[in-house]
Amino acid sequence: EDQVTQSPEALRLQEGESSSLNCSYTVSGLRGLFWYRQDPGKGPEFLFTLYSAGEEKEKERLKATLTKKESFLHITAPKPEDSATYLCAAVSGGYQKVTFGTGTKLQVIP
Amino acid sequence: DGGITQSPKYLFRKEGQNVTLSCEQNLNHDAMYWYRQDPGQGLRLIYYSQIVNDFQKGDIAEGYSVSREKKESFPLTVTSAQKNPTAFYLCASSMGTSSNYGYTFGSGTRLTVV
Repeated sequence: EDQVTQSPEALRLQEGESSSLNCSYTVSGLRGLFWYRQDPGKGPEFLFTLYSAGEEKEKERLKATLTKKESFLHITAPKPEDSATYLCAAVSGGYQKVTFGTGTKLQVIP
Repeated sequence: DGGITQSPKYLFRKEGQNVTLSCEQNLNHDAMYWYRQDPGQGLRLIYYSQIVNDFQKGDIAEGYSVSREKKESFPLTVTSAQKNPTAFYLCASSMGTSSNYGYTFGSGTRLTVV
């Protein structure tokens, strides 16, 4: 059974304190790994897609990386406006099944 | 601006009542999806549609129904057969028919049973 596990469940950082969020996946034939940001009471917003091990993508203070077993979302010098829940999702197999993780809730304190 | 519009934002359902959640997109996307989000769980797929007049069951379709009469619209009906409907419902679309393009999500409908 395909599984996506995110850790930690919650993370509290001081403004400027860099850290990483983890997304471990066990799927048959990874087609793509997606990161989304979700604000309370809103729908997820697309951040990145990674397709192969070794790939990296950056956007402002965020950088996503991918290995054969996991993906990391690195947050450099976070600001309070980066507070949100970050979701990852793996697309796998010939039928392109999408499996979502449960998310990491990030709080950045001024 | 292109996007997905879900309505209403909040919906209250009485026991035994059917309710319909609206989802409209103006992105010209072929594929549309309905997901359910519960605390502590990943998003779970209810139904999806890759073309007009065709749709497929997802992982948790029991107690739900959909239609896709127009490319832009994909309404979800929560029937009285759904025993635990209280949740946050998300509609999404993707370019082409592949979920590998990633999703554009609506802002969600929060359904509560009263």
